[in-house]
Amino acid sequence: AQKITQTQPGMFVQEKEAVTLDCTYDTSDPSYGLFWYKQPSSGEMIFLIYQGSYDQQNATEGRYSLNFQKARKSANLVISASQLGDSAMYFCAMREGISSGSARQLTFGSGTQLTVLP
Amino acid sequence: AAGVIQSPRHLIKEKRETATLKCYPIPRHDTVYWYQQGPGQDPQFLISFYEKMQSDKGSIPDRFSAQQFSDYHSELNMSSLELGDSALYFCASRLRGRGETQYFGPGTRLLVL
Repeated sequence: AQKITQTQPGMFVQEKEAVTLDCTYDTSDPSYGLFWYKQPSSGEMIFLIYQGSYDQQNATEGRYSLNFQKARKSANLVISASQLGDSAMYFCAMREGISSGSARQLTFGSGTQLTVLP
Repeated sequence: AAGVIQSPRHLIKEKRETATLKCYPIPRHDTVYWYQQGPGQDPQFLISFYEKMQSDKGSIPDRFSAQQFSDYHSELNMSSLELGDSALYFCASRLRGRGETQYFGPGTRLLVL
C-alpha cells in the first residue's frame, strides 16, 4: 500500500492567490513526521515545512502552512499569496519511528507539479 | 549557512563502467542518506549512515556500495553501470537529536550511455 498519496499530478494557481496541495498518508506508527519539499526544474530538493505527529499546532513557515488533520491522516500544504517562483514540483514525505531516534529514511509521494500563472 | 555538498554535479558514463559520487554533509551532521530519483519519479531511499556505520538499507542494488568516512563525508560507489541507473542521486544530512529535517544536497545527475 502507498504510504504517501498525492492525488493531484498537476495544479494551476493564479499569482497572488492561495493554493492547497493535498497529501494523505498511511502508517500504524504513532510517532512520525511529515515533510514538504519543493523541487524546481533545476532539480534541487528544498525543505519547506515539517509537522510532527505529536505537535499540537499546525506548522507554519512564512507563506507555507501545513493543514494537519491527524484523524483523517492528511497533511495538506497551503501556500498563500502564490508567486511565479513557486512554480515547481512539490513532494510530501513521511519519516516513521521518530521517537526511536533512528536514522529512518523518508518515504515520498509522487509529487504535485504546481504552475503559477501571471 | 553551509549546505550539503555533492560532487560531481553531472556525470556521464558508459554501460559497465564505474562511478563514485561524493557527499559532504552539513558540518556537525552525523547522519547521511542517499536517494535515487529516476526521471519523472519520486526519490527512492538507497542507504543511510549514522556515525560512520550503516544504519538502514533500502532498494540499493548489489552493484552499489557506500560508506561514511571519519570526517563524515560519504561516497556512493556504483559498478557495472546500466542504462537504468541514469538518475538524479541525492545525498541528505541530518543531526540526530537536533530536529527531524533532512537537508538535501543539489544532487548528482548521472547519465549512463
